[in-house]
Amino acid sequence: AQRVTQPEKLLSVFKGAPVELKCNYSYSGSPELFWYVQYSRQRLQLLLRHISRESIKGFTADLNKGETSFHLKKPFAQEEDSAMYYCALLPYNTDKLIFGTGTRLQVFP
Amino acid sequence: DGGITQSPKYLFRKEGQNVTLSCEQNLNHDAMYWYRQDPGQGLRLIYYSQIVNDFQKGDIAEGYSVSREKKESFPLTVTSAQKNPTAFYLCASSILRTRVATGELFFGEGSRLTVL
Repeated sequence: AQRVTQPEKLLSVFKGAPVELKCNYSYSGSPELFWYVQYSRQRLQLLLRHISRESIKGFTADLNKGETSFHLKKPFAQEEDSAMYYCALLPYNTDKLIFGTGTRLQVFP
Repeated sequence: DGGITQSPKYLFRKEGQNVTLSCEQNLNHDAMYWYRQDPGQGLRLIYYSQIVNDFQKGDIAEGYSVSREKKESFPLTVTSAQKNPTAFYLCASSILRTRVATGELFFGEGSRLTVL
């Protein structure tokens, strides 16, 4: 079965602390993975995609096929990072993104 | 101003009534989607359409219906058969994967439906 698991509903950290939002996937093929973010009163939007190997707003995510994980990391959290984060999987040859249940990140001053 | 427009933003409905949520895009995207967002359950796909006059059921299509008569429009009807319709509904669009494999969805601001 194709599935995305985000085990944490809520992650709270203080400003300047490292952040790791966990994402595990279940997929038999070669996955395409994404992180989406929804800031308060804003639209859900793409944060980054694994295929681009990019760093956006200080966030990075590395695909680990052995552990079937795609954790989102940032070395020093900022208050403006507070948002809802969704990990998503795009199976091969489809246009249907499969989303995880989301993790709310709270960054305290 | 390009993007996806959903309306209404808030909607109240009595039990037993059908209601239609509007979704319009001017991004010239081929594919359009409807998701339902519930706390603790993430985004679940209701219906999607890759081309005009064609659409497919998602994971939770029961109690919903859609149409795709124009490329720009993908309205969702929540019927009285939907057992738990109170939710936040998100519409999205994307370039078809077969054209550009980006996987990026562009979302509307959402419609909150409350059944009284």
